[in-house]
Amino acid sequence: QQQVKQSPQSLIVQKGGISIINCAYENTAFDYFPWYQQFPGKGPALLIAIRPDVSEKKEGRFTISFNKSAKQFSLHIMDSQPGDSATYFCAARGSGGYNKLIFGAGTRLAVHP
Amino acid sequence: DVKVTQSSRYLVKRTGEKVFLECVQDMDHENMFWYRQDPGLGLRLIYFSYDVKMKEKGDIPEGYSVSREKKERFSLILESASTNQTSMYLCASSYQAGGEQFFGPGTRLTVL
Repeated sequence: QQQVKQSPQSLIVQKGGISIINCAYENTAFDYFPWYQQFPGKGPALLIAIRPDVSEKKEGRFTISFNKSAKQFSLHIMDSQPGDSATYFCAARGSGGYNKLIFGAGTRLAVHP
Repeated sequence: DVKVTQSSRYLVKRTGEKVFLECVQDMDHENMFWYRQDPGLGLRLIYFSYDVKMKEKGDIPEGYSVSREKKERFSLILESASTNQTSMYLCASSYQAGGEQFFGPGTRLTVL
């Protein structure tokens, strides 16, 4: 109930291509879905986030698509660049109590020139 | 610029040693967190604190304890380090409960 399942574990994309990372959840009470980006040697940093009352949010080349009925959300990176190579984590904010974030397992993205 | 600092980037300890990992934030955040990061397992919450001297267990608290004597500092303690605690440890802080978390660079701990 409190898990967030992320796929794929790793992804290789050519420069200019579209990177797609998917996440699924079970708990319908989750109310906030952020994506974090982590470069080697650094801690994760918030990239983009969405609430379940909207189906899509776009910030530059990064878009979150949210499907409430399927309990799935995904990150799309358009025109992927080598500088996008990083590990990406989806997360969901838990319900009740403290409302902590629950993270997916992460996706290591490599964008080849 | 917001900042979360961790006392060490790399640490090597022996089995059975007591290990202290220190984290300091300069954003006056109420909430602080300790995670461990392992390949294929993502970020798993060990402990968190929503106020000075307050602490709550996360998902994997066994073998760990924490201390928060001052608002800006949150320490993770391994009372008797074991090899299965070899991992990357990440500290984070946030202004609001459930809000954006700001992470430190991590401490890679190796227990031999």
